[in-house]
Amino acid sequence: DQQVKQNSPSLSVQEGRISILNCDYTNSMFDYFLWYKKYPAEGPTFLISISSIKDKNEDGRFTVFLNKSAKHLSLHIVPSQPGDSAVYFCAATSNTGNQFYFGTGTSLTVIP
Amino acid sequence: KAGVTQTPRYLIKTRGQQVTLSCSPISGHRSVSWYQQTPGQGLQFLFEYFSETQRNKGNFPGRFSGRQFSNSRSEMNVSTLELGDSALYLCASKATAGSSYEQYFGPGTRLTVT
Repeated sequence: DQQVKQNSPSLSVQEGRISILNCDYTNSMFDYFLWYKKYPAEGPTFLISISSIKDKNEDGRFTVFLNKSAKHLSLHIVPSQPGDSAVYFCAATSNTGNQFYFGTGTSLTVIP
Repeated sequence: KAGVTQTPRYLIKTRGQQVTLSCSPISGHRSVSWYQQTPGQGLQFLFEYFSETQRNKGNFPGRFSGRQFSNSRSEMNVSTLELGDSALYLCASKATAGSSYEQYFGPGTRLTVT
């Protein structure tokens, strides 16, 4: 049972434009949400997170939006750069932070 | 500060064999989690250890087991390997104070079962 879903396996965006990656979840007990970025042959690296008490968190070119009523979060990258090309995973956890549920990932390609 | 290390990086085994993977967390991190990554399935949670105790377990058969040592290093064992066990196995460590939600991943061990 996939509690965190990323329905778009891949996304292509022109350099300089906005990239929007989406994630849906089913468990209303999730309290904290994270985005990870993964390059081939490397482990995922933490990108940005958001607590369920917020609806937006921004860090430079990266912004995460959370819509709790829709159980939906999105990651916006503006402007997109070729170095952003990677697989992006969203993840969710409860307030204990002991077990994380990951989506299946979205492969982002930024075209120069 | 050194990152999470995993050994070996690559491994080829045959069906029926067993395998042990190792993970050394970031110094001071006491929580270690293991994940299996396969194409189309994302990262599937295997188990989490904290202070040598398994605190959480995912939905995997008993062939998958793990342990954690007093220095927080962790091992994962898979017995009676099946072809479907071919995957990237990732280990992640987490501090248990402060930003306790952020996990730091190792580069993974690529296991191929033939």
